[in-house]
Amino acid sequence: DQQVKQNSPSLSVQEGRISILNCDYTNSMFDYFLWYKKYPAEGPTFLISISSIKDKNEDGRFTVFLNKSAKHLSLHIVPSQPGDSAVYFCAALNNNDMRFGAGTRLTVKP
Amino acid sequence: NAGVTQTPKFQVLKTGQSMTLQCAQDMNHEYMSWYRQDPGMGLRLIHYSVGAGITDQGEVPNGYNVSRSTTEDFPLRLLSAAPSQTSVYFCASSYLGWSQRGYTFGSGTRLTVV
Repeated sequence: DQQVKQNSPSLSVQEGRISILNCDYTNSMFDYFLWYKKYPAEGPTFLISISSIKDKNEDGRFTVFLNKSAKHLSLHIVPSQPGDSAVYFCAALNNNDMRFGAGTRLTVKP
Repeated sequence: NAGVTQTPKFQVLKTGQSMTLQCAQDMNHEYMSWYRQDPGMGLRLIHYSVGAGITDQGEVPNGYNVSRSTTEDFPLRLLSAAPSQTSVYFCASSYLGWSQRGYTFGSGTRLTVV
C-alpha cells in the first residue's frame, strides 16, 4: 500500500512564477515530512523538512506547508527558476521507516 | 569527497545469477539503507541498518540479503536475480536520530535482469 502519494506526475510553470507541488499521506504516525529533489543519473538530494507539530517551514525560496487534518502537504517554490527543473519526491518518516511518493517532474520554462 | 559511493553504476544480469551491490560511506553515519526506484512507484525501502551488526527489513525485502560488518559498508546481495528485480537501486545514510534532516543518497546502480 502506498502510504505517500503524489498524484501529479508532472508540472510545468513559467520562470518567475510559483510552483506548487502536492503530496498526500495516509499514516497518521508519520512524525516528519521531507522533500527531495532529483536530477537525472543522480541520487535524490534533501531539500526541506517539517515536523508534524508544525504547519509551515521556510528556507529561502522553498516553503513547505502541512495540513494534518487533511493529511496533505505542499511545497511552494517562489520564484521558480529553470535550475529547479527536476523530479521532486515527497517523503514521510516514522522512526527509521521513510516512505516516498512516486515523484512529480517539475519543468520551469524560461 | 565525503559521501555515499555505490558500485557498479550499471549491471546486466541473467535470470538466476547472483551479485552484490556495494555501498560505502565515509561520514561515520550509523544509519544506512537500500531503496529501489521503479516507474510510478517512487522509492521503496528494501533493508536498513542502524549500526554494525544490526539489520532489519523494509517494505520490499524478498529476494535480497544484507549484512553490516562495519560502519562504512552496507552491501546488498541478490541471491538469484529475477526480471522483477530490474530497477535503479539507491543506498542512503544518515546519523541515527537525524533522519528528519534528510538522507545522503548515492548516485544509484541501474540493474537489468534479462
